[in-house]
Amino acid sequence: DIQMTQSPSSVSASIGDTITITCRASRDVSTWLAWYQHKPGQAPKLLIYGASILQTGVPSRFSGSGSGTEFTLTINSLQPGDFATYYCQQATSFPLTFGQGTRLEI
Amino acid sequence: EVQVVTSGGGLVQPGRSLRLSCATSGFTLRDYPMTWFRKPPGKGLEWVGFIRSKPYGGTTEYAASVKGRFTISLDESKGIAYLQMDSLKTEDTAVYYCSRSLHGGYPSDYWGQGTLVTVSS
Repeated sequence: DIQMTQSPSSVSASIGDTITITCRASRDVSTWLAWYQHKPGQAPKLLIYGASILQTGVPSRFSGSGSGTEFTLTINSLQPGDFATYYCQQATSFPLTFGQGTRLEI
Repeated sequence: EVQVVTSGGGLVQPGRSLRLSCATSGFTLRDYPMTWFRKPPGKGLEWVGFIRSKPYGGTTEYAASVKGRFTISLDESKGIAYLQMDSLKTEDTAVYYCSRSLHGGYPSDYWGQGTLVTVSS
């Protein structure tokens, strides 16, 4: 199985800040990488797929980059609704695997 | 409007069975893969398995932890996907989510709200 490792596990930030989350894969996943946002009690939400393609309706404050084994999710100008847990997911081979999550806190 | 609604969770004893349902609307179920995920308490998201769309054979893939115990199926006439869970274990306790996926089961663009399954004696 491909192991996905996110860092940091948690990050504290303020409204208006910019934060970056890193996701590393145990082997090459090309750009078969998605990012999801998950808030307690809600359905997860697709933010980015193909490592850098913004899902329709997602604000342009969110951006993704990377290929191979190292990826980043950047959120500019943090808004109150951005405080959640973020997961990366690889889709190059089964089982599809997630990183352990990064909790974004105020 | 695409909608995905998950239901069927509850409290069940170890070794017993439970079937979860995923009611869909706003798209043609046979044309999209459907994927199940779960989130155990205090842990992160886990991929459970998915079923390919009928044009791609309607075959399934499962995580090793559930293979042989869980089965994903579709009732296209009703627009419902199912997750049949047999021989349940305490470690299957989680909120279960179904989702519509794109080709190959990735990415999952529409998710249900989740249903809690608690396996306990």
